[in-house]
Amino acid sequence: EDKVVQSPLSLVVHEGDTVTLNCSYEVTNFRSLLWYKQEKKAPTFLFMLTSSGIEKKSGRLSSILDKKELFSILNITATQTGDSAVYLCAVGNAGGTSYGKLTFGQGTILTVHP
Amino acid sequence: DTAVSQTPKYLVTQMGNDKSIKCEQNLGHDTMYWYKQDSKKFLKIMFSYNNKELIINETVPNRFSPKSPDKAHLNLHINSLELGDSAVYFCASSQLAGTEAFFGQGTRLTVV
Repeated sequence: EDKVVQSPLSLVVHEGDTVTLNCSYEVTNFRSLLWYKQEKKAPTFLFMLTSSGIEKKSGRLSSILDKKELFSILNITATQTGDSAVYLCAVGNAGGTSYGKLTFGQGTILTVHP
Repeated sequence: DTAVSQTPKYLVTQMGNDKSIKCEQNLGHDTMYWYKQDSKKFLKIMFSYNNKELIINETVPNRFSPKSPDKAHLNLHINSLELGDSAVYFCASSQLAGTEAFFGQGTRLTVV
């Protein structure tokens, strides 16, 4: 069964700090690794990492994928209070009985204080 | 235009009732999903359809029945609602199964 484990489960920082969120996974047929940000409502898509794209960056957020060690990290630099949210990691399955399945981790709750 | 829309946003109902949640996407995606999110924010997949065909059916009570009349719609019908069904239900869609999925705003179901 596909599995995603995120750490830490929660993190409290001050504005301006840099944070690193971790995601380790087990998947039978890897297709993609995804990062989402969830505030009060729906998860919003941040990044997708695949075998052909193992690093992504957008503004203060960046992510890398290590397919050999089966983990990914999400970095947020110069954090702001608006970064406070639950960050979700998911893996997509490419084949077999779990074809198309997105399995999510339990999330990391990030709180950024002014 | 909302990309993935669900109705209703809130649903409060009594135990034993039957209810439906509707989902529509206007992104032209081939794959649609239903997820259940519990109070600890854990997202668990329930069903996935690809071009109207069921491809994922997790261990979900058979009181839950998805229906996909066309690839832009995926509805969820729940029979004989129980207290434990209370959660937020999210619909999502993706162009390619197992890749970036876009979520609807969620339906908060409360069974009393």
